[in-house]
Amino acid sequence: QVQLVQSGAEVKKPGASVKVSCKASGYTFTSYYMHWVRQAPGQGLEWMGIINPSGGSTSYAQKFQGRVTMTRDTSTSTVYMELSSLRSEDTAVYYCARDNSWGQGTLVTVSS
Amino acid sequence: QLVLTQSPSASASLGASVKLTCTLSSGHSSYAIAWHQQQPEKGPRYLMKLNSDGSHSKGDGIPDRFSGSSSGAERYLTISSLQSEDEADYYCQTWGTGLWVFGGGTKLTVL
Repeated sequence: QVQLVQSGAEVKKPGASVKVSCKASGYTFTSYYMHWVRQAPGQGLEWMGIINPSGGSTSYAQKFQGRVTMTRDTSTSTVYMELSSLRSEDTAVYYCARDNSWGQGTLVTVSS
Repeated sequence: QLVLTQSPSASASLGASVKLTCTLSSGHSSYAIAWHQQQPEKGPRYLMKLNSDGSHSKGDGIPDRFSGSSSGAERYLTISSLQSEDEADYYCQTWGTGLWVFGGGTKLTVL
């Protein structure tokens, strides 16, 4: 079965960067695009961007352009999402998601 | 612009049925959507993909109590024989060229 397993919670200071990983299993990694979605406390789901694990091409939501980088490692079937210049408003749970599966989420807390 | 609109809240009694609505923006009435459930303090769970003709394909392990239907620009999620664990936020989601769009979510309360 499809499994998306994310890295653990992070606490970062404003201005720092965070890199979250998502390891996929149970399917052909390069055959399905992967999305990143975040959810701030008490808020709805917000799409951040997409990566094609086959060629590595990406597309980001305009809101995150210039601050987010999505990459992949086909040797380990892992995708990464790095968000830079963190601010308190970036405190949220970050999810990787395929068309019909979600990772368990990674809480990123930005606090001085 | 591709937008999904959901009512913020809904409620229904234990054992009853409820129908949640997701409305596609003008010009996008042929789009398929997906429904996701998020129980309190948990991550989202994929429920189903719902096409404009009302056909739908559910995720693994999703009970028969969950079904989908469509009418014009509206996409519905019907939950029958409501159980306490159905109390959750429900999000509809669609996809444009290389992007996902989410509705604001409906908080379902089971009375």
